Amino acid sequence: AQSVTQLGSHVSVSEGALVLLRCNYSSSVPPYLFWYVQYPNQGLQLLLKYTSAATLVKGINGFEAEFKKSETSFHLTKPSAHMSDAAEYFCAVIEGNQGGKLIFGQGTELSVKP
Amino acid sequence: DADVTQTPRNRITKTGKRIMLECSQTKGHDRMYWYRQDPGLGLRLIYYSFDVKDINKGEISDGYSVSRQAQAKFSLSLESAIPNQTALYFCATSDWERTEAFFGQGTRLTVV
Repeated sequence: AQSVTQLGSHVSVSEGALVLLRCNYSSSVPPYLFWYVQYPNQGLQLLLKYTSAATLVKGINGFEAEFKKSETSFHLTKPSAHMSDAAEYFCAVIEGNQGGKLIFGQGTELSVKP
Repeated sequence: DADVTQTPRNRITKTGKRIMLECSQTKGHDRMYWYRQDPGLGLRLIYYSFDVKDINKGEISDGYSVSRQAQAKFSLSLESAIPNQTALYFCATSDWERTEAFFGQGTRLTVV
């Protein structure tokens, strides 16, 4: 069965610094991978997704993620953090041929310091 | 209007009461999901449905039941609410596994 592990429940960066949020997955077949963002008191919205095309995926708001099969990782990065990036971020996986259950990681709360 | 609508948005109920959370969608999607969110635990899948006649248990279905009344409606019931079911509940939809899921705004449920 698939699973997702996000390393670090809280990450704090300074404005303008690199953002790196880590996600590792477990899947017996090629997965589909997603990053979602949740702003306070809101639902989740999609940042980006990997569905077996290009391994480097670009999303909204300057975020990108790279699928690394050898490391079973799908880390989220952004070169320069903005205050508006403060939110909770979730990595999620669907196992390619297992009926499409969408499984989430534990979430990482990103804080951005002025 | 929102694509995925959850009602109520907030609810306080007493232990032992039955409560239903409702979800409706205008996306035309076949797949619908119910998740609960707890701090530090992320979103955990309660039930999911890939069409009106297909209902599946998720990771944490004990104490919950669901009803898929129509393609657009998927309700979650707590037959006898208990305090550890206090959480933020999300409904989501998708058309198939390779596309994104669309989420409602959430229902904050407190069981006292």
